[in-house]
Amino acid sequence: SQTIHQWPATLVQPVGSPLSLECTVEGTSNPNLYWYRQAAGRGLQLLFYSIGIDQISSEVPQNLSASRPQDRQFILSSKKLLLSDSGFYLCAWRRDGIGVGQYFGPGTRLTVT
Amino acid sequence: RKEVEQDPGPFNVPEGATVAFNCTYSNSASQSFFWYRQDCRKEPKLLMSVYSSGNEDGRFTAQLNRASQYISLLIRDSKLSDSATYLCVVNPSGNQFYFGTGTSLTVIP
Repeated sequence: SQTIHQWPATLVQPVGSPLSLECTVEGTSNPNLYWYRQAAGRGLQLLFYSIGIDQISSEVPQNLSASRPQDRQFILSSKKLLLSDSGFYLCAWRRDGIGVGQYFGPGTRLTVT
Repeated sequence: RKEVEQDPGPFNVPEGATVAFNCTYSNSASQSFFWYRQDCRKEPKLLMSVYSSGNEDGRFTAQLNRASQYISLLIRDSKLSDSATYLCVVNPSGNQFYFGTGTSLTVIP
């Protein structure tokens, strides 16, 4: 069976500090991978998705970036965090195809102070 | 206009009740639809896909109305454990997934 891991689970970072969140998927190959952010009381916002190694699509212009150095590893980064970057960051995977849903990792709760 | 709109609720229903949520979407060419469940401070979990002909999974029934551009989720015989936020998701195409803001359900003993 497939599992998806994210770490860290929680993070408190000062404004201006860097960020690195990691996501890995087990039990599948060549998954589509996604990064979402969920701000308090708001819906999920798609940040990036990837259909393969080093293939990243950015959905929202911002100070975040994503990388996929390996097939089942997806990393979300920032060089300098803003207060507005606080939120619940969720990684998801899915098999390619129509009608295929996404499966989410446990998420990282980020507070920028 | 938002891609997906949901009534945020909250819905407070007694155990055993039937409750229904609707979700409207703006892109008439949307291909795939889903319902997710999200518990407080947890990740969303896929509840079920929504098929054109409607589909059922135990106490849960999902329906799609393409003419009126909405999807619905019906929960019969509500359990305390059904208390959560329910998110509808619309996939217009490819890797674009639009999530509703969620409908909060509390099942009361």
